[in-house]
Amino acid sequence: GQNIDQPTEMTATEGAIVQINCTYQTSGFNGLFWYQQHAGEAPTFLSYNVLDGLEEKGRFSSFLSRSKGYSYLLLKELQMKDSASYLCAVRVSSGGGKLIFGQGTELSVKP
Amino acid sequence: GAVVSQHPSRVICKSGTSVKIECRSLDFQATTMFWYRQFPKQSLMLMATSNEGSKATYEQGVEKDKFLINHASLTLSTLTVTSAHPEDSSFYICSAPRAANTEAFFGQGTRLTVV
Repeated sequence: GQNIDQPTEMTATEGAIVQINCTYQTSGFNGLFWYQQHAGEAPTFLSYNVLDGLEEKGRFSSFLSRSKGYSYLLLKELQMKDSASYLCAVRVSSGGGKLIFGQGTELSVKP
Repeated sequence: GAVVSQHPSRVICKSGTSVKIECRSLDFQATTMFWYRQFPKQSLMLMATSNEGSKATYEQGVEKDKFLINHASLTLSTLTVTSAHPEDSSFYICSAPRAANTEAFFGQGTRLTVV
């Protein structure tokens, strides 16, 4: 079966750093994605990891450990506009590249 | 700009009617597209994989006769919600990878309300 877990909610302060964790157990693994989604909108791509290690892209970084089935998204210098839902998704080996999503983490950034 | 376009963005229909949602890849050919459904405050649930020139592959629990998927060309997949009921009200989103094992781009989503 497919199981992807991430915290339901997190709260952080403007200017701070927040880490959103994601653990997964899937039948096959072909990459892990992080998306940001504001209410009522489609998800927007943030990062992609297929090999172990850290990928950095501006204020956002994502880490992957395949042996542990674990990833995190790190957001630095938080801004109010970062308040959104953050979705962890695993691309499974079969199924033509379909993504299986976690339940999403609702991040609230407070002043 | 958008590379996957979804239409309409919002639709309200009466119970018992059918609604068609279109998903187009704008500057690339997509042999595979994916349809997701998202209920309020929940994550994206994969409904089906749309395959150009062949039948769609449905996820467990998704009624293929209710959610008709047609992928007649390399740039267009359609999802038709047949005999819609209020419980079908949801946010429907399509996605398409530009190539195998690459990032999947999402359409803008369609907010369906069945009254």
